[in-house]
Amino acid sequence: AQTVTQSQPEMSVQEAETVTLSCTYDTSESDYYLFWYKQPPSRQMILVIRQEAYKQQNATENRFSVNFQKAAKSFSLKISDSQLGDAAMYFCAYQNRQGGSEKLVFGKGTKLTVNP
Amino acid sequence: DGGITQSPKYLFRKEGQNVTLSCEQNLNHDAMYWYRQDPGQGLRLIYYSQIVNDFQKGDIAEGYSVSREKKESFPLTVTSAQKNPTAFYLCASSIYLSTGYEQYFGPGTRLTVT
Repeated sequence: AQTVTQSQPEMSVQEAETVTLSCTYDTSESDYYLFWYKQPPSRQMILVIRQEAYKQQNATENRFSVNFQKAAKSFSLKISDSQLGDAAMYFCAYQNRQGGSEKLVFGKGTKLTVNP
Repeated sequence: DGGITQSPKYLFRKEGQNVTLSCEQNLNHDAMYWYRQDPGQGLRLIYYSQIVNDFQKGDIAEGYSVSREKKESFPLTVTSAQKNPTAFYLCASSIYLSTGYEQYFGPGTRLTVT
């Protein structure tokens, strides 16, 4: 079974600075998807960024980018120019590409605090 | 507006009672999911359904039941057999994109059982 590990229960960053959230995963599959979700205090889950394992290029979405290291099974999220609205729980998630399974496997999350 | 609705936002029940959480989507998505969220635990999959009248157990299905009689609706019943029902419950639906089965989440229901 696949597992996702987020080793940082809490992180903090100064407004306008850059922060990196870590995620590692374990799988025997070669083809899969990886996601970062944001959960603000409202508790609404919001998709931040996604990465296809077969793509070597790291995904970027505005201030959010990932560092995908397939051999190391690592998928970190970098938030540049942090804003107060970035304060939230961040969850890393894994999804198999093959087999018709759409299930997401989540890490336990990292709570990000943004200091003004 | 298309989206996923969960009602109610807060739900209180006495121990020993069954309770049903509602989840409706108008996104025309085939697949729907129920997750449970506890502090420090992330999201754990309870049940999922890929088509109407079919559903599969997730990782923590014991004490829960679901039905999928309509594409738009996927209600979750928390039975009295669930030992620790107090939690935050999230419903999701998904559509296949070239980038994967992207899941969209509802706003959640906070269930408190005393």
